[in-house]
Amino acid sequence: QKEVEQDPGPLSVPEGAIVSLNCTYSNSAFQYFMWYRQYSRKGPELLMYTYSSGNKEDGRFTAQVDKSSKYISLFIRDSQPSDSATYLCAMRPQGAQKLVFGQGTRLTINP
Amino acid sequence: KAGVTQTPRYLIKTRGQQVTLSCSPISGHRSVSWYQQTPGQGLQFLFEYFSETQRNKGNFPGRFSGRQFSNSRSEMNVSTLELGDSALYLCASSLVQGGNYGYTFGSGTRLTVV
Repeated sequence: QKEVEQDPGPLSVPEGAIVSLNCTYSNSAFQYFMWYRQYSRKGPELLMYTYSSGNKEDGRFTAQVDKSSKYISLFIRDSQPSDSATYLCAMRPQGAQKLVFGQGTRLTINP
Repeated sequence: KAGVTQTPRYLIKTRGQQVTLSCSPISGHRSVSWYQQTPGQGLQFLFEYFSETQRNKGNFPGRFSGRQFSNSRSEMNVSTLELGDSALYLCASSLVQGGNYGYTFGSGTRLTVV
């Protein structure tokens, strides 16, 4: 079983919809949680960064961390065709250097 | 502000050869990490360098090695290439060791082994 599980999709939604992306993890030591967006032929781009539990909002994006359930989410409001990309969750424990990534979810927003 | 620069963007090599990939981090960033991305395994950590020293290493064979120079630029070397080494190799830089505020990735080097 992988340390971080993420549904690879693909996920296709109409423009303007609310998108919910999720990851579950097994390592209770994870403290730092990130969401990256990766466009085709590009490297991952950091979208959201959260330490420990709680919510964080940045424009149309909201990241949630529920450490008791070992579950993290990314919500995208008013989705746009330009949001079409692969979304990767990543996390690491306190003091560790390497990030552990989910498989990534391929998202398509249809105009 | 220039981002993370990786060269070359694409490479085709033959089984058994060796290859060297280059990464120039964001100016001022001292930590450089390398990741391998494949459709089957996703993103996997190779190693991290900080101040010219390897600080952490992933579960890859010794054929994978790297180094960091005094200007923080980093190179990754893969010797005796195998077909399974075909992947996108990503370099990420961070201001501090461990990327406490997230890493900035380059666009990667697409390596194809034939």
